[in-house]
Amino acid sequence: SQKIEQNSEALNIQEGKTATLTCNYTNYSPAYLQWYRQDPGRGPVFLLLIRENEKEKRKERLKVTFDTTLKQSLFHITASQPADSATYLCALDSTNTNAGKSTFGDGTTLTVKP
Amino acid sequence: EAGVAQSPRYKIIEKRQSVAFWCNPISGHATLYWYQQILGQGPKLLIQFQNNGVVDDSQLPKDRFSAERLKGVDSTLKIQPAKLEDSAVYLCASSLSAGGGEKLFFGSGTQLSVL
Repeated sequence: SQKIEQNSEALNIQEGKTATLTCNYTNYSPAYLQWYRQDPGRGPVFLLLIRENEKEKRKERLKVTFDTTLKQSLFHITASQPADSATYLCALDSTNTNAGKSTFGDGTTLTVKP
Repeated sequence: EAGVAQSPRYKIIEKRQSVAFWCNPISGHATLYWYQQILGQGPKLLIQFQNNGVVDDSQLPKDRFSAERLKGVDSTLKIQPAKLEDSAVYLCASSLSAGGGEKLFFGSGTQLSVL
């Protein structure tokens, strides 16, 4: 069956360090993979999208990698700050047709300590 | 640019009662989604509309859930009758189109508690 797995445990890191979050999937052939941030009591907010033919994407302190052989995406936040504390969700679009829709993982909660 | 609007923000009902949620997407967004998010889990798609037509409702429990988007703009999601396991946050999202890789814009959700 199809499965999306993110870090099962919450991630606690010290301010200034790099946070690395993982998203593994099985029985999917995603054309796109997206990362969202969700704060308590709020809806998810889009951060980055990476296509199946892209290996890496960057935006400011964020970097996403996508390895379709390993069926894994890594999400990095460099020089982390307490304001980066949130839950991060990966989402897969399993088709590149007009019926595309995003299937979400359960998220990883990141806490950055000052 | 105004974001996705949802109401109410919170709702507490007893099991077997009915409840309705409202969503107004970003202006010009053709595609509207309703997601259910249970505590500790990721959002799960209930229904996707393209304009006023249903694209995917395969995971909508149709015996108790219904949704409509009559004029292709705002949408209503209804639960009747509610069960305890329906306690969750109901998120509405919109996107420009239904093509793959579309960025989703979410509202803040309606937190439903069924007692």
